[in-house]
Amino acid sequence: DGGITQSPKYLFRKEGQNVTLSCEQNLNHDAMYWYRQDPGQGLRLIYYSQIVNDFQKGDIAEGYSVSREKKESFPLTVTSAQKNPTAFYLCASTTASGFGYEQYFGPGTRLTVT
Amino acid sequence: QKEVEQDPGPLSVPEGAIVSLNCTYSNSAFQYFMWYRQYSRKGPELLMYTYSSGNKEDGRFTAQVDKSSKYISLFIRDSQPSDSATYLCAIYDGNKLVFGAGTILRVKS
Repeated sequence: DGGITQSPKYLFRKEGQNVTLSCEQNLNHDAMYWYRQDPGQGLRLIYYSQIVNDFQKGDIAEGYSVSREKKESFPLTVTSAQKNPTAFYLCASTTASGFGYEQYFGPGTRLTVT
Repeated sequence: QKEVEQDPGPLSVPEGAIVSLNCTYSNSAFQYFMWYRQYSRKGPELLMYTYSSGNKEDGRFTAQVDKSSKYISLFIRDSQPSDSATYLCAIYDGNKLVFGAGTILRVKS
């Protein structure tokens, strides 16, 4: 089955620790995205990548980092510099630009930092 | 001013009601308008998209765009309890999606 997988579903970390969220897709999509969702705020874009070895900051990139070494993988690291990391994180992918409005989402990772 | 504004609700309606969900946007250059549906603790899924102005119908769902007033709407006819979800409007700016806050809809049986 084609799709996007995110792991783990729930993640708990202590304050001050970096944590990496996994996102893998087997849809052969070129572009991948990371969003953060907080109650009442919709989805906010953290980073996106339209091709391998290239990525751009979204609206709320501070305290996060990404890499895109393989087409199918786009991991997100939440660093200790992120002041309020507890949130629901969603990964998405889409075909090459021109159809970027049809994004396919993974099931999400709920991160709790205490 | 946010690029896309959406009332987060929640909106509670009885089964069978007609539901109207709305968003406004700020940039008149936007051409692609989307509605995503998100069930609790799941990722969003694309429900409908509209290019430029006009209406688009898919079963019980109708998406409408009024570019003169920068207003986008989603209508759900004969609403069902299974329609209970968060509905997110979004615009595509050529590179990325910009989402509204999402409206929580509850359809009571």
